[in-house]
Amino acid sequence: GENVEQHPSTLSVQEGDSAVIKCTYSDSASNYFPWYKQELGKRPQLIIDIRSNVGEKKDQRIAVTLNKTAKHFSLHITETQPEDSAVYFCAAGNPGNYGGSQGNLIFGKGTKLSVKP
Amino acid sequence: DTAVSQTPKYLVTQMGNDKSIKCEQNLGHDTMYWYKQDSKKFLKIMFSYNNKELIINETVPNRFSPKSPDKAHLNLHINSLELGDSAVYFCASSQVTGSQYFGPGTRLLVL
Repeated sequence: GENVEQHPSTLSVQEGDSAVIKCTYSDSASNYFPWYKQELGKRPQLIIDIRSNVGEKKDQRIAVTLNKTAKHFSLHITETQPEDSAVYFCAAGNPGNYGGSQGNLIFGKGTKLSVKP
Repeated sequence: DTAVSQTPKYLVTQMGNDKSIKCEQNLGHDTMYWYKQDSKKFLKIMFSYNNKELIINETVPNRFSPKSPDKAHLNLHINSLELGDSAVYFCASSQVTGSQYFGPGTRLLVL
């Protein structure tokens, strides 16, 4: 089955700096890669996602890149702000693939991002 | 205007008891899920349902049983609760090929 590795587990940056979180996945059949932000005591919130037919996607200060050959994908946050502080999760899966575990989203173990003012 | 809702928000109970957690979504999604988030914040899929049929059943104890009365609801029933069941349980929903949206979570504490 799919296995997702996420690094680093903790990341501390100064306000205004950039933050990068990296994930690798093992199953070449995975074609959907979302990123979730979870603030303390709250639900995971989808912040951006990318599908395997594109290599990069950007939404304001957040961007995600995907390298299917290397099975890597990354989250980039520019001009970080204190409110970006949270735990970020990457995930990989093949939605719509029913009848097997490939239909699952498999989550990384999370990165705790701290943005210092 | 809540998209995915869960009840109760908190659940404190004794070992050996049976409890249920309810989940409802008003997004018209086809698929619903249950996740367990442990004290280390790891998110692990437990079940998913599509059109009222269980399509993926991960290796969770059979004390856990999902029940879906209709497409908008997926409840989780837990028998003979154990200390290790203490965690936050999240419900989520999605379209067949779409993004998953999570409920607010149910914090379960087994004493």
